[in-house]
Amino acid sequence: EPEVTQTPSHQVTQMGQEVILRCVPISNHLYFYWYRQILGQKVEFLVSFYNNEISEKSEIFDDQFSVERPDGSNFTLKIRSTKLEDSAMYFCASTEYYEQYFGPGTRLTVT
Amino acid sequence: KNEVEQSPQNLTAQEGEFITINCSYSVGISALHWLQQHPGGGIVSLFMLSSGKKKHGRLIATINIQEKHSSLHITASHPRDSAVYICAAPKGNQFYFGTGTSLTVIP
Repeated sequence: EPEVTQTPSHQVTQMGQEVILRCVPISNHLYFYWYRQILGQKVEFLVSFYNNEISEKSEIFDDQFSVERPDGSNFTLKIRSTKLEDSAMYFCASTEYYEQYFGPGTRLTVT
Repeated sequence: KNEVEQSPQNLTAQEGEFITINCSYSVGISALHWLQQHPGGGIVSLFMLSSGKKKHGRLIATINIQEKHSSLHITASHPRDSAVYICAAPKGNQFYFGTGTSLTVIP
């Protein structure tokens, strides 16, 4: 069964560094999403992406964040200058219509 | 203000019990999603429903669009059902998540 993959599974970075989280969505899916979940808190929507552009973004998704689909398969989330409060689990998801398929997540730890 | 409210926050049940988790939402939606988050963190989509009722094995999800309320039922609960259950309401291409219901089923 096709699945969404994410790399790395765990990323440790120092405050102020740039990080790129990578996702490979399911190949025939059209919509892509990034979510984050701070430890012990609820899942939060960051951004949705369709037709090579941002469809919607939340208040969390400020100028420090960017998304890109650099080729036909990868979907990346970049955080330009990480802050301690960016420490969280980041999930990618893709969908063809409505049902969401989630990746296993990348745990980002900012020290 | 929470666009999506879930109850209860925590639930402990004996194996075999019938379980109900409730979700109320205030955002306009096209469909509501029920998700399961395993202890390891992975998230799986259980249901996406826009009306009526859906059943998958021992899981049943219902939705009342007029009342903006949905329920997830688990029949004959089993310890492997222990997980966090999350409802999520889409508005456009943005999703609003509930805080989750942490379910523990004791053998």
